[in-house]
Amino acid sequence: QKEVEQDPGPLSVPEGAIVSLNCTYSNSAFQYFMWYRQYSRKGPELLMYTYSSGNKEDGRFTAQVDKSSKYISLFIRDSQPSDSATYLCAMRGAAGNKLTFGGGTRVLVKP
Amino acid sequence: EAGVAQSPRYKIIEKRQSVAFWCNPISGHATLYWYQQILGQGPKLLIQFQNNGVVDDSQLPKDRFSAERLKGVDSTLKIQPAKLEDSAVYLCASSPRGVSGANVLTFGAGSRLTVL
Repeated sequence: QKEVEQDPGPLSVPEGAIVSLNCTYSNSAFQYFMWYRQYSRKGPELLMYTYSSGNKEDGRFTAQVDKSSKYISLFIRDSQPSDSATYLCAMRGAAGNKLTFGGGTRVLVKP
Repeated sequence: EAGVAQSPRYKIIEKRQSVAFWCNPISGHATLYWYQQILGQGPKLLIQFQNNGVVDDSQLPKDRFSAERLKGVDSTLKIQPAKLEDSAVYLCASSPRGVSGANVLTFGAGSRLTVL
């Protein structure tokens, strides 16, 4: 079993819809949770990170962490075709810098 | 602010040949990482440097992979001899010093390796 699980998709939605992405994990030591966006043939780009449980909002993006369920989510409101990309979750413990990534979910927003 | 620079962007080699990738991190970033991303998978950490010292190389196949970061700035990752399963994108990333710095990695565009 992988330490971080993420549905590979693809997830296809019409423009303007809400995109819902999630990851589950098994390591209870994870404290910091990140979401990266990766366009084709580009490196991952950090969208946002959260610490421990709770919600964080940044523009059209909302990240949620439920440590009791070992489950994190990313919501994208008013999705645009430019949001079409692969979304990677990543997480790490309190000590050390090593990130563990999920496999990524490919998202396609259709005009 | 200039981003993380990597070269070459693409490389095709025969198995058993050698290859080297170069990375120039963001100026002032103390921590440098090399990740391997196989098609359809998330990045996997190969090695992490703090300045020019190795912090974590537990997942680096040391019989064929080597990396160095001279003078705490640029870094090179070498594969010798290459295997078919080394076909992947090699991503370099850097982050500022400190615990919270590890949450804000900046990645380069990657070097795509194809081993035939």
